Amino acid sequence: DTGVSQNPRHKITKRGQNVTFRCDPISEHNRLYWYRQTLGQGPEFLTYFQNEAQLEKSRLLSDRFSAERPKGSFSTLEIQRTEQGDSAMYLCASSLAGRGVTDTQYFGPGTRLTVL
Amino acid sequence: KQEVTQIPAALSVPEGENLVLNCSFTDSAIYNLQWFRQDPGKGLTSLLLIQSSQREQTSGRLNASLDKSSGRSTLYIAASQPGDSATYLCAGEYGNKLVFGAGTILRVKS
Repeated sequence: DTGVSQNPRHKITKRGQNVTFRCDPISEHNRLYWYRQTLGQGPEFLTYFQNEAQLEKSRLLSDRFSAERPKGSFSTLEIQRTEQGDSAMYLCASSLAGRGVTDTQYFGPGTRLTVL
Repeated sequence: KQEVTQIPAALSVPEGENLVLNCSFTDSAIYNLQWFRQDPGKGLTSLLLIQSSQREQTSGRLNASLDKSSGRSTLYIAASQPGDSATYLCAGEYGNKLVFGAGTILRVKS
């Protein structure tokens, strides 16, 4: 399968614990995005990378959240000291940005986080 | 603030009906407009992408239009089938991020 993959698919944790999610984009894609989706809502933008550089962060991304893309390939999203309000689906997307290329974002299956 | 609104929030139709889903956006400086499908508990599947210079796109039984001046897009589904049951999301691309509506939950009854 050459699509965007995310691991784990489900994560249940207790309040106050740290969690880390991984996203593997489509191999030739240079952009990688993180979104968060709560029940009954559309996804909300969190952050995006162009290669290994994190170029934009939403105000939703509090200081408990950190994202990395160390070698411009896979990315990790870490949430420290989780709160019940962090419970959501975390979606990753990737795209190929460049001259003459339509920047279509392709989404992974998401990681469902439940904070007890 | 860039906002995207979708109407209706939910729709139930009998199999075979043609239907229209509506999307409106507040900021007309949109780079492109995408329609996605989301099945319960799953990720998003891109259906159609309309660039800001285009007026519509078609794929099979789906047709999406874009009117930047009025801030509206519609997704037309012809001859609906039970397999079309899902949540349909529209998203405007602004800069390097997508701004999504809350979606329309579609149920096609057999």
